[in-house]
Amino acid sequence: AQSVTQLDSHVSVSEGTPVLLRCNYSSSYSPSLFWYVQHPNKGLQLLLKYTSAATLVKGINGFEAEFKKSETSFHLTKPSAHMSDAAEYFCVVSPMFSGGYNKLIFGAGTRLAVHP
Amino acid sequence: EPEVTQTPSHQVTQMGQEVILRCVPISNHLYFYWYRQILGQKVEFLVSFYNNEISEKSEIFDDQFSVERPDGSNFTLKIRSTKLEDSAMYFCASSEVSGDLETQYFGPGTRLLVL
Repeated sequence: AQSVTQLDSHVSVSEGTPVLLRCNYSSSYSPSLFWYVQHPNKGLQLLLKYTSAATLVKGINGFEAEFKKSETSFHLTKPSAHMSDAAEYFCVVSPMFSGGYNKLIFGAGTRLAVHP
Repeated sequence: EPEVTQTPSHQVTQMGQEVILRCVPISNHLYFYWYRQILGQKVEFLVSFYNNEISEKSEIFDDQFSVERPDGSNFTLKIRSTKLEDSAMYFCASSEVSGDLETQYFGPGTRLLVL
């Protein structure tokens, strides 16, 4: 079975300091992994995506994530937080079934607060 | 930039009433999805739709739910007789391709409240 665990439900950082949002996954198949962000009253926006091409994935707004198969992790980082980064972040796995349709499996979400 | 749209943004209904949630996927996309998020819980898959038929559905998606692509642009989710536990945020998503090249793009959601 496939699952995603986001290790922190809330993360609080000061503006200008690094961000680390942690995600571990479980998948029987070679997965695609995503990070989505949801700002208040907005839809789910794709931040970045991993599909085995490169283990370090760069996304929008300065975010990046590193796929570590040995640790089954896909942590999201950003060197310097901005106030506009305050949102809920979802780690998502899509199991790669041959010829199948990819239902996404979501983590519980991490709410990021950024303080001045 | 093209985006998925959903209407209404909010809907309040009485238990037992039928509701239809509407989505307009990105125009060249072929794969369509509904997800929901009950308050305080994870986003969960409901159904996927391709080539005018359901390709996969979750155990949540029982006989009270149906999906339709009535006119080539809209993608709807109907709940025939709403229950209190159907209260949730419902997200529509679409993608151009399936498989390892797929990226699903989400709409802003419809918040459904069943009283």
